[in-house]
This record gives sequence, structure tokens and C-alpha cells, in this order.
Amino acid sequence: QVQLVESGGGVVQPGGSLRLSCAASGFTFSRHGMHWVRQAPGKGLEWLAFIRYDGSTEYYADSVKGRFIISRDNSKNTQYLQMTSLRTEDAAVYYCAKDPRPLSSTTSGWFDYWGQGTLVTVSS
Amino acid sequence: QSVLTQPASVSGSPGQSITISCTGTSSDVGNYNLVSWYQHHPGKAPKLIIYQGSMRPSGVSNRFSGSKSGNTASLTLSGLQAEDEADYYCCSYAGSGTLVFGGGTKLTVL
Repeated sequence: QVQLVESGGGVVQPGGSLRLSCAASGFTFSRHGMHWVRQAPGKGLEWLAFIRYDGSTEYYADSVKGRFIISRDNSKNTQYLQMTSLRTEDAAVYYCAKDPRPLSSTTSGWFDYWGQGTLVTVSS
Repeated sequence: QSVLTQPASVSGSPGQSITISCTGTSSDVGNYNLVSWYQHHPGKAPKLIIYQGSMRPSGVSNRFSGSKSGNTASLTLSGLQAEDEADYYCCSYAGSGTLVFGGGTKLTVL
């Protein structure tokens, strides 16, 4: 069965950096685009970024463009989110989510599987 | 990238039906047949319940149904059960590879 396991969350100071990982199993990772979504405390879900199955294309939400970078290593069945210049408002649970259509040039527009999330706290 | 508008909360008694609306614009909900809905029990992974406006993934109860009219999408849940109590989010493709969520709706089963 599909499993997505996020890791790398923790406490970081404002202005700091953190790299999240998402280990995937149960499907052919190299054939599917992947996303990152977050949920700040008491808030709703916010889409952050998408990466194409082959890593050749990335899309970002305006709120993280220029600060966050999505990447993937298909040999390790893992995607990453490199977060820099972190702000207090970036504190959230960060979820990894799978795009359903294989070998798609862009996002399908929805997510068929999600991980359980990893918590990022931004505080001095 | 604006947030889609959902009611903050809805409630219903067991066996009743409820509808959650999701209002966007002609740049997202109204322009694409790519609205999806997710059920989220706090502390768990969100679960896809509707995609492409009205399609139900395999294994999702047929008590869930989706529709769209203009810039507003809707999720209807019939035959309410206690385990349906959760947060529900709509999401739409918004062009240029981006996606936008609604603010979420807390469903309370009375």
C-alpha cells in the first residue's frame, strides 16, 4: 500500500533553515509528481509546491517562492523541501502528498495519498 | 493565490444530509473541472473523497457526492454518521501549476 513518511521537522529560529524529507513506498515513485502542503496551528491547509515526476518542473505558492525549494531523488524514492529564511508564520505541520496521474507533464490537480505530516516550529 | 471560501462550520444529526459550499473565482473553481475534497481527522493524514468535481475514489462511501455550478463547488454528505465528524477542505487547480485550498469546514454530528 502507498506510504508517505515525512521527517526532518523540528524547532528552528526565525531566519533559519530546515530540510524536510518524504520517503515514499508502495508505488513507482519515479512516475508520479509530488506535492508539499502545510497546516499552520488553527488554520486550514495551504498548498506549497509541486515537482514533476522527473524533477524537471517545479511550481510554488507565492508565499514560499524564493525561500523554499522542492526537489526529489528518484533513486532513493524520496522528495525534499529545503526551507530557508524561515518566519514565525511558517510554523506548521508539513504534509507530503502524491499526485495521482503517472508521467504527467504537470499536476493532475488533486492528491490521492498523503503522509501524516512533520511539525515545524519557528521560534526564538 | 486566494483562499477558496467555505463555511467555518456545519452540523447535522445522524441520518441527515449536509452540504458544504466552496466558492472561488473564474480563475480557479469556475475555470477548471479540478475541484477536489478532503476529509481530515486532526492528527491523521487527510483523505481524498472527491476529485474532478464529482468523482469518488475507490473505497470512498457513496454517501459523499460532489457538484459544481459556476464558481461554486459543493460537497454533499448524506446519511450522516458519527465517524463523519471531521474537517473538510476543498481544493481547486488555479492555473500555472498551482493549487488553492478552501479555509476548511468543521462538520459536527449532533
